[in-house]
Order: sequence, then C-alpha cells, then structure tokens
Amino acid sequence: EPEVTQTPSHQVTQMGQEVILRCVPISNHLYFYWYRQILGQKVEFLVSFYNNEISEKSEIFDDQFSVERPDGSNFTLKIRSTKLEDSAMYFCASRETGLTDTQYFGPGTRLTVL
Amino acid sequence: GNSVTQMEGPVTLSEEAFLTINCTYTATGYPSLFWYVQYPGEGLQLLLKATKADDKGSNKGFEATYRKETTSFHLEKGSVQVSDSAVYFCALDTDKLIFGTGTRLQVFP
Repeated sequence: EPEVTQTPSHQVTQMGQEVILRCVPISNHLYFYWYRQILGQKVEFLVSFYNNEISEKSEIFDDQFSVERPDGSNFTLKIRSTKLEDSAMYFCASRETGLTDTQYFGPGTRLTVL
Repeated sequence: GNSVTQMEGPVTLSEEAFLTINCTYTATGYPSLFWYVQYPGEGLQLLLKATKADDKGSNKGFEATYRKETTSFHLEKGSVQVSDSAVYFCALDTDKLIFGTGTRLQVFP
C-alpha cells in the first residue's frame, strides 16, 4: 500500500541553524500539507500546497518557514533560523484530490532544537 | 471559526469495557469528520471518517456517527483491548485538518 515517507526521523540542531525536513507524498496525490505537534499538545496545521504554490498558511508559518516541491516526488519544509520553540514533531500529509479524500500522514520527523 | 472540542483524558478502562470519547465541532458548512489514532512513538493513522450528516464511519470495532443536529462525532467501541491504548484525535476537514486536543486512552488487562 502506498504511503507517505519522511526523512529524517529525528533531527537535532542548534538554535539559529537552518533545517530542511523532507517528505515523499503518495505518488498520485496533488495536495500536500505540513502539520506540527509540540510534545503532548495537539496537532496544528502549518501550510497547504497545491499546484506548486501555497494554498493556505497558518499564523505559525511565518517568514522563517518555506515549502518547496523541488522535483516530482519530494516536498520539503525549510526552517531558516530555528528557535527553541520550533522543537516538535513535524508531519507531512498528502491527499489525492478534493475535500472528501482522506489526508494520509507520514510517520513524522522529530525536530529537537538545542 | 472552525474548531473541535474533545473530552479530556486520560480515559482509563479495563479490557472489554465500553468506550466513548466525546467530540463536538463548530464549523461553517458541512466538513468531513475524522478520527485519527496515534500509538506511542508513532505518527497519525486514520481510524475512520464520515463525509456527510448521518454517515457512520467504522473500523476495527470503532464507530462514530456524524450528527449534524448535535454537531457531534463521538467515538465508540463496544469492547476495548489493551492494544487500543493510544491517543485519539477528532478532526474536521476544511481543506486543512483542524484537530481536537486528543484523548489518551489507557486500557488495562
């Protein structure tokens, strides 16, 4: 069964460093998402992406964040200058087409900012 | 705005007990509703969904019915197992998913 994959599974970085989190969505899916979950808290929407552009972003998704689909398979989230409060689990999700389709989640990348 | 409210956890049950986890929502329009489950150390897995009013989603013995009149999507299971111990998230879909705070279920033998 096709699945969303994410790398790395765990990333440790120093405050102020740039990180890139990578996702490979399911191959025939058109809509892509990033969410994050701070430890013990709820899952929060960051950004949605369709047709090579951002569809919607939350207030969390400030100028430090960017997303890209550099080729036909990868979908990346970049944090330019990490802060301690960026420490969280980051989940990528994808869905095939419209609103009635399910979003399928990857296993997540745990980001630890020291 | 759109939001989801879930009952506080943890919910602690003995094996074979009946489970209810309450979920209510506020939304414009008629979004699809979901339950996702997160096992310890893992990501989010879809448990079940309902796309319109009165739909019942079901999977692995879990059920939830989309109730428009009470704006609810309560999760139920007739007989829980130890392996059901996890965190359960209710969510509504307005293109982005809006999640509740999650309810931790602990099932003891």
